[in-house]
Amino acid sequence: NAGVTQTPKFRVLKTGQSMTLLCAQDMNHEYMYWYRQDPGMGLRLIHYSVGEGTTAKGEVPDGYNVSRLKKQNFLLGLESAAPSQTSVYFCASSSLGVRTEAFFGQGTRLTVV
Amino acid sequence: AQSVAQPEDQVNVAEGNPLTVKCTYSVSGNPYLFWYVQYPNRGLQFLLKYITGDNLVKGSYGFEAEFNKSQTSFHLKKPSALVSDSALYFCAVRDGNAGNMLTFGGGTRLMVKP
Repeated sequence: NAGVTQTPKFRVLKTGQSMTLLCAQDMNHEYMYWYRQDPGMGLRLIHYSVGEGTTAKGEVPDGYNVSRLKKQNFLLGLESAAPSQTSVYFCASSSLGVRTEAFFGQGTRLTVV
Repeated sequence: AQSVAQPEDQVNVAEGNPLTVKCTYSVSGNPYLFWYVQYPNRGLQFLLKYITGDNLVKGSYGFEAEFNKSQTSFHLKKPSALVSDSALYFCAVRDGNAGNMLTFGGGTRLMVKP
């Protein structure tokens, strides 16, 4: 049981380049989330999805786009990367309901130079 | 809007001593509270959660947490710390009125010294 898998694990981008981070979960979870983790700032929610075909903005959505075309996948896109987007990105998923805990992937370390 | 505060960036404790990592929250509806632990270069691992019922919640690795509604707190505790407990700990909340967003605190680094 793989749980939540993030691809890639590391990436270096030049300013202005674009990329897509892939998150896949095999637990049939309805909810999926993208967070970024920065030193001293904890985890901040970028975007989330409550089901296939639906997405919503979180706390820090600017500069990012997401898509959930399939229930098991949640993609995070950076159209024009900026140094301020250097961070560790985590994907998480949870089953339906407010009482359920989230399961996290191993993270993607992104550096924008 | 829902929010979580972890007032201590770092907590230092000697091995064998009790530990407490503090968390306070703000929600408009019923709170659903979670604690996670993160080891270096790893994702977050779920420790325990408060949904309803008993104010003292027991979780993994001997950790427990005490829910206090009047103080809007959910402090993480362990009676006897281990060096291997050294990690980054996060408190998180879902607001029963806000549905699906899971909001995290800034994290507290726990250092357990031999």
